[in-house]
Amino acid sequence: AQSVTQLDSQVPVFEEAPVELRCNYSSSVSVYLFWYVQYPNQGLQLLLKYLSGSTLVESINGFEAEFNKSQTSFHLRKPSVHISDTAEYFCAVSPSRGNTGKLIFGQGTTLQVKP
Amino acid sequence: EAEVAQSPRYKITEKSQAVAFWCDPISGHATLYWYRQILGQGPELLVQFQDESVVDDSQLPKDRFSAERLKGVDSTLKIQPAELGDSAMYLCASSKGGAGELFFGEGSRLTVL
Repeated sequence: AQSVTQLDSQVPVFEEAPVELRCNYSSSVSVYLFWYVQYPNQGLQLLLKYLSGSTLVESINGFEAEFNKSQTSFHLRKPSVHISDTAEYFCAVSPSRGNTGKLIFGQGTTLQVKP
Repeated sequence: EAEVAQSPRYKITEKSQAVAFWCDPISGHATLYWYRQILGQGPELLVQFQDESVVDDSQLPKDRFSAERLKGVDSTLKIQPAELGDSAMYLCASSKGGAGELFFGEGSRLTVL
């Protein structure tokens, strides 16, 4: 079985400042890793994912995450945030074999970007 | 752009009543998921379908919850009878399968009084 812990429930930050949203996971098998974002009044949407290859993955809007197997982490970072990045961010894992579509989500982190 | 459609968006019901939610996935997506999201928590998988077959329903409270996807397209999630603790957002998602991206609907918010 897998589990995900997002270490911060809320992260307030000023516009143009850097941000890191922390995610740790636990699993007895190898995993795929995901970050989903939920903007106000919208459904969850995929931000980025790690399946294999380079441990650093990037999104089209400037976010990046690095898979650290030894620390079982997949922290999300952005060097300079915008007001429009205000949203709920969810880290998720799935097994890399078997039912690879079964996502287990963390509790979520609310990113509040202030002007 | 294709979307996952869910209805109703909001539902208020009294405990012990029956309630049903409907989901229409993106056309061609073989895998359909129902998640429950309690306020302040992450989504929890209730049931996963591959076409019309259940792949995983290990977290579905089967004494009161049921789900079906009869023709392998749209799906219905039913709760009977509803309890106060069922108040939550019910999310439907679909994907092409495997480790592909899940596309979520906007959800159905249930309030049980």
